[in-house]
Amino acid sequence: GQSLEQPSEVTAVEGAIVQINCTYQTSGFYGLSWYQQHDGGAPTFLSYNGLDGLEETGRFSSFLSRSDSYGYLLLQELQMKDSASYFCAVRDDRGSTLGRLYFGRGTQLTVWP
Amino acid sequence: DVKVTQSSRYLVKRTGEKVFLECVQDMDHENMFWYRQDPGLGLRLIYFSYDVKMKEKGDIPEGYSVSREKKERFSLILESASTNQTSMYLCASSFRDRGKDEKLFFGSGTQLSVL
Repeated sequence: GQSLEQPSEVTAVEGAIVQINCTYQTSGFYGLSWYQQHDGGAPTFLSYNGLDGLEETGRFSSFLSRSDSYGYLLLQELQMKDSASYFCAVRDDRGSTLGRLYFGRGTQLTVWP
Repeated sequence: DVKVTQSSRYLVKRTGEKVFLECVQDMDHENMFWYRQDPGLGLRLIYFSYDVKMKEKGDIPEGYSVSREKKERFSLILESASTNQTSMYLCASSFRDRGKDEKLFFGSGTQLSVL
């Protein structure tokens, strides 16, 4: 089966840097995605790593190490609006599960002024 | 902008009722998904569909069925609602092509309460 582990909560202050880790176990790993969800809102796509290394999108970066079954989301220059839940999700490409995502339980990030 | 529209933001139903949750997307996506989200449990896949009239079970299909008669519309059906189906239901869609299918677009969700 599949399992993903990420911390349930992280807190930080404005302007700081925070890293949200995600470790996973899956048989047919294809890639790791990150989604952001504000309270009462829909999850929105942040980033995707199909290959090892760092992907940068503005203040957000995401990293993947396939050999360690590990990735992280790095948020820099934190702002109050970054307070949200962050989900990692793995792509599984085995047979009938082609293209589906398995989500972690989410990390609640609270940014303090 | 891609739009995934769910028919209701809030629904209150009684135990035993048949419930229909509707989802429409306007980006010609092949893939459509139904998730439920419960506090502390993340997003769990109920059913998904890769094409019209196609459906596959996710992790928690019991008590649910789906219908996809048109490409843009994916319906979730609770045949006989029960209190343990009280939850936030999220619809999502994506392209099927490799390299595009990792990006899901979600609707705003339907908070269903079964009394």
